[in-house]
Amino acid sequence: NAGVTQTPKFQVLKTGQSMTLQCAQDMNHNSMYWYRQDPGMGLRLIYYSASEGTTDKGEVPNGYNVSRLNKREFSLRLESAAPSQTSVYFCASSAKTGGTEAFFGQGTRLTVV
Amino acid sequence: SQKIEQNSEALNIQEGKTATLTCNYTNYSPAYLQWYRQDPGRGPVFLLLIRENEKEKRKERLKVTFDTTLKQSLFHITASQPADSATYLCALRNSGNTPLVFGKGTRLSVIA
Repeated sequence: NAGVTQTPKFQVLKTGQSMTLQCAQDMNHNSMYWYRQDPGMGLRLIYYSASEGTTDKGEVPNGYNVSRLNKREFSLRLESAAPSQTSVYFCASSAKTGGTEAFFGQGTRLTVV
Repeated sequence: SQKIEQNSEALNIQEGKTATLTCNYTNYSPAYLQWYRQDPGRGPVFLLLIRENEKEKRKERLKVTFDTTLKQSLFHITASQPADSATYLCALRNSGNTPLVFGKGTRLSVIA
């Protein structure tokens, strides 16, 4: 009963390094999301994918790219990490965009030094 | 501009009392409003969804109301327990196929 699985759980990057956060869901959901959560800012949407083959920007997309690899997997890439991208990143999925409950992964705590 | 505001950052109540959390929104016309619970170091977990044509929804000790005139949702936990201590997030989407937008959350502490 895995639900939404994110890897890695923790990561430290140096400024300018790149990395990809992986997310997979096993609930056959159409929609997937990447949020970041910062103290005092709440959850903010970075990118989402309403269905396989589509991606759209959210509130804070700058500095990120995404790939909806297939229905199960949605990855988030930081091409050149900056200290401002230090955050906790959550992947989520739902049967359809917005109108049904969202299931979240356990989060990735990323520190950029 | 669009805003979702949860009444306070933190709320402390005594065990056994009813906790009431508020979610106000501005410049949204939500078709749905949802409440989530988040424990430290974990992702949010869905609790309840209420539709724009519903006034109230209950689940065990939880009750949610939705007033589209006041642009407000209230989330109640009756007979609160220390295990209810967590951050509670409200989330909504406008009509149409748009993703959820979250409030900043209220951190509830239930004191024994």
